[in-house]
Amino acid sequence: TQLLEQSPQFLSIQEGENLTVYCNSSSVFSSLQWYRQEPGEGPVLLVTVVTGGEVKKLKRLTFQFGDARKDSSLHITAAQPGDTGLYLCAEPQGGSEKLVFGKGMKLTVNP
Amino acid sequence: GAVVSQHPSWVICKSGTSVKIECRSLDFQATTMFWYRQFPKQSLMLMATSNEGSKATYEQGVEKDKFLINHASLTLSTLTVTSAHPEDSSFYICSARTGRSSYNSPLHFGNGTRLTVT
Repeated sequence: TQLLEQSPQFLSIQEGENLTVYCNSSSVFSSLQWYRQEPGEGPVLLVTVVTGGEVKKLKRLTFQFGDARKDSSLHITAAQPGDTGLYLCAEPQGGSEKLVFGKGMKLTVNP
Repeated sequence: GAVVSQHPSWVICKSGTSVKIECRSLDFQATTMFWYRQFPKQSLMLMATSNEGSKATYEQGVEKDKFLINHASLTLSTLTVTSAHPEDSSFYICSARTGRSSYNSPLHFGNGTRLTVT
């Protein structure tokens, strides 16, 4: 089973600051998905990246997939309190339907 | 968009009793559903893959006799925690894919069930 390492694991910032969270693996990702989970709810898919070097934007969120497809990053610009949550990266296990999740990055944005 | 509904959203039970959690795909059919468990401040751990009309596939270390899964229709999977103990207290989340089965297709999650065993 591929292990996904996320960093940092916790981040508490002020509204308006920028931040980046990373997801790394020792093996090549077939594809990678980013989810956001709010307390007491299930994760919600933010984006799927498939191609090495790919960059996707979702409003203030920018997702990058490393050229070698072994790492990915999520950058949030001008964070807002509504961005508070657990950010998880996930990868299909061995090309199967099963998703393996990283440990997540718990983000708190203070007003 | 695709909606996955879980019920109940929270449950408190006494040690030794059994609890059933339902997972429904409201506007699509799901031949496969996935059950995850999430402990506080931790990530989601896959427990089992629920297959409509056949036996569930359990991940290593998950007791199939303790966590009974029944996927009786294309829109309903149930997870029964039998003889629950305090260490089974956790957040249980189900998920399902829409459309043709593909590891790149979106996985839609229910809102989870918070189980507390006293």
